[in-house]
Amino acid sequence: AQKITQTQPGMFVQEKEAVTLDCTYDTSDQSYGLFWYKQPSSGEMIFLIYQGSYDEQNATEGRYSLNFQKARKSANLVISASQLGDSAMYFCAMRETDGGATNKLIFGTGTLLAVQP
Amino acid sequence: NAGVTQTPKFQVLKTGQSMTLQCAQDMNHEYMSWYRQDPGMGLRLIHYSVGAGITDQGEVPNGYNVSRSTTEDFPLRLLSAAPSQTSVYFCASKRQASYEQYFGPGTRLTVT
Repeated sequence: AQKITQTQPGMFVQEKEAVTLDCTYDTSDQSYGLFWYKQPSSGEMIFLIYQGSYDEQNATEGRYSLNFQKARKSANLVISASQLGDSAMYFCAMRETDGGATNKLIFGTGTLLAVQP
Repeated sequence: NAGVTQTPKFQVLKTGQSMTLQCAQDMNHEYMSWYRQDPGMGLRLIHYSVGAGITDQGEVPNGYNVSRSTTEDFPLRLLSAAPSQTSVYFCASKRQASYEQYFGPGTRLTVT
């Protein structure tokens, strides 16, 4: 069964420093996708970044990059130059292909990031 | 575009009551889904739909019904509310050919 594991319930980082949020996954699919979402205290789910299993380069979106290590089944999120507004819950998720029709998302339990001034 | 909208934002129900959570999207997305978010458990898929007239169960479907009579709307019905259904409910949609899902703002439901 597919599974996402986020082992860091909470993390602190100093403003302007980089931080890595860990995510490991388990799947027997050859084709899959990995996502990171941000959930601030206001509650909405904000899409940050996506990595396809066949993408050879690590995905980047502004200050966010995804450190994709396929052999280790890890998809860590790196946030560079942390800002106070980055304080939020971060979820790693995997697209379950299931024949290509459904694209269900399986979520990890999240990491609560606190950025300190 | 309004994106994905959900109503109500908050709701309190008594055990045994029924209600419908509304979800609508104006992006002509084929795929729509409902998730629930409980503390410490991330989001879990309740039901999903790949198009009008087609629905299927997700990971935690018991106690919920859905229907998809139009592309735009995907309501979630609680048949007989239970305290275990206290949660935050998110609706999401996407184009079938795209990977990005767009989430609504969520509905916080409390069942007493």
